[in-house]
Amino acid sequence: GENVEQHPSTLSVQEGDSAVIKCTYSDSASNYFPWYKQELGKRPQLIIDIRSNVGEKKDQRIAVTLNKTAKHFSLHITETQPEDSAVYFCAASEVGNYKLTFGKGTLLTVNP
Amino acid sequence: EAGVVQSPRYKIIEKKQPVAFWCNPISGHNTLYWYLQNLGQGPELLIRYENEEAVDDSQLPKDRFSAERLKGVDSTLKIQPAELGDSAVYLCASSQAANTEAFFGQGTRLTVV
Repeated sequence: GENVEQHPSTLSVQEGDSAVIKCTYSDSASNYFPWYKQELGKRPQLIIDIRSNVGEKKDQRIAVTLNKTAKHFSLHITETQPEDSAVYFCAASEVGNYKLTFGKGTLLTVNP
Repeated sequence: EAGVVQSPRYKIIEKKQPVAFWCNPISGHNTLYWYLQNLGQGPELLIRYENEEAVDDSQLPKDRFSAERLKGVDSTLKIQPAELGDSAVYLCASSQAANTEAFFGQGTRLTVV
């Protein structure tokens, strides 16, 4: 089955700096890669996703890049703000059974 | 639009007791998921439904866990008997179709003592 590795597990940045979180996946058949943000005690919420036919996608301050050859994808947050502080999860979905496999998460702390 | 609704939000039970969780997905969403989330970990899929059919239950510990989705709408997840290691957050999610955005409920935090 699919295996998703995510790093770093914790990331601390100063407000205004950029943050990058990286994930690798094992199943070359995966074609859907969402990123979820989970604030403490709250539900995971989708912030951006990318499909395998696209190499990069951007939405305001967040962007995701995908390298299918290397089987890795990354989340980029620019001009970070304290409200960006949360746990971020990457995930990959297998073609056929559509099982969404999550990484272990990255705790992002944005210091004012 | 109402989101995915789960109840209860919190549940404390003694080990060996049964427990049930309920999920009401977003209206019109055919795909429903139950995930288990341990502290500091990402969600892990327990079971996925397409309408009323369980199409992926390979990760569901069938000796003690069961789930149903009658009429292809609401779903319940049951544990009987509960063990200490079952303490976790149980998340329900739904999507219009598989491989599209999954919307999560608030989860049920289960504590087994």
